[in-house]
Amino acid sequence: SQTIHQWPATLVQPVGSPLSLECTVEGTSNPNLYWYRQAAGRGLQLLFYSVGIGQISSEVPQNLSASRPQDRQFILSSKKLLLSDSGFYLCAQGRAYEQYFGPGTRLTVT
Amino acid sequence: DAKTTQPTSMDCAEGRAANLPCNHSTISGNEYVYWYRQIHSQGPQYIIHGLKNNETNEMASLIITEDRKSSTLILPHATLRDTAVYYCIVPRPRNYGQNFVFGPGTRLSVLP
Repeated sequence: SQTIHQWPATLVQPVGSPLSLECTVEGTSNPNLYWYRQAAGRGLQLLFYSVGIGQISSEVPQNLSASRPQDRQFILSSKKLLLSDSGFYLCAQGRAYEQYFGPGTRLTVT
Repeated sequence: DAKTTQPTSMDCAEGRAANLPCNHSTISGNEYVYWYRQIHSQGPQYIIHGLKNNETNEMASLIITEDRKSSTLILPHATLRDTAVYYCIVPRPRNYGQNFVFGPGTRLSVLP
């Protein structure tokens, strides 16, 4: 069965600092990978998706970026965090009809 | 993606059936209806999906109207652990798989 790991689980960062969140997937090969963000009390917003190594598509303009250096590794980054980047970040993997989500990283930008 | 409309919140007594409605009047013929739920501070969990026939699995049943413009998720015997936000989603198929757009969902509170 597939497993999705995300770390760290929680993170508190000052405004203007860099960010790197990592997601790794086990139990599947060549997965479609996704980064979502959920602001407090809101639904999930798709940020990035990837269909393969080095292939990244962005759904919304922002100061975040994503990379996929390996088949089962997906990284979310920022050079300078904004207060509005606070939220719950979820990595997901999916094929065809379903998506499976990781445990998430709760980011607070202060 | 087809727009979905769900009630903001619902209560259900423990042990009773929870019926969560969803309207998706602009759904296209090849679009599936998906249901996910999110327990507080966890990632969303897949529940069930269907196209036009009613579906049942170990978690829930999905009833889709004949015109496919609405559906109902049924939790037959709700427990306190079913308290969560439930999302009804109709993603547009894309060549990379599904693009799931999660709205605010329905906050289900199962009461003792």
